[in-house]
Amino acid sequence: QVTLRESGPALVRPTQTLTLTCTFSGFSLTTSPMCVSWIRQPPGRALEWLALIDWNDNKYYRTSLKSRLTISKDTPKNQVVLTMTNMDPVDTATYYCGRMLNRGLIEAVDYWGQGTLVTVSS
Amino acid sequence: QSVLTQPPSASGTPGQRVTMSCSGSNSNIGSNYVYWYQQFPGTAPKLLIYKDNQRPPGVPDRFSGSKSGTSASLAISGLRSEDEADYSCAAWDGSLSALVFGGGTKLTVL
Repeated sequence: QVTLRESGPALVRPTQTLTLTCTFSGFSLTTSPMCVSWIRQPPGRALEWLALIDWNDNKYYRTSLKSRLTISKDTPKNQVVLTMTNMDPVDTATYYCGRMLNRGLIEAVDYWGQGTLVTVSS
Repeated sequence: QSVLTQPPSASGTPGQRVTMSCSGSNSNIGSNYVYWYQQFPGTAPKLLIYKDNQRPPGVPDRFSGSKSGTSASLAISGLRSEDEADYSCAAWDGSLSALVFGGGTKLTVL
């Protein structure tokens, strides 16, 4: 059974760095074709993909946020960590992690975490 | 502005068949699989359709997906009140090297 769970602060001050952790089970991020992505959804708005890391430690980032994002994995802990620097109120959103597969073609998210709401406010 | 284009709203009456579209380009829908998600307020998206037209276990066969060229569609037959939700499409974009989403279609069951 595949599960993912996000954890991190609910409130972040402007200019601070956000660190989110995705803890997963039911698959291993050491073997093909496993990938994990971070996606966010501002209140009342559409889903927005942020970053992906695959079993081979390849990383992809949303172009517009690339300078602020870092994705990494802790394989023994079955965790994927996302850091986002210089947080701004416009970054207020529910942040999700999700599993994706790369079987020659990169596929979209098949399993989602429950999401964690991050509010950026002073 | 989303890379994939979806109509913002759709509606139907119970029992009706409704379809919603998702329009993209050769670099996303035209060359990669389309996924569809159902989302209720305050909850995470739920996978509805994967690899263009496949249903995960537990998803009723009232839901179906199709794709032609750079466009995809989600159809819901025998509409029920509990189908009232937001529906989003997604696909990998090879040119952007990014997962792209549609803006979502809010389905209202009248």
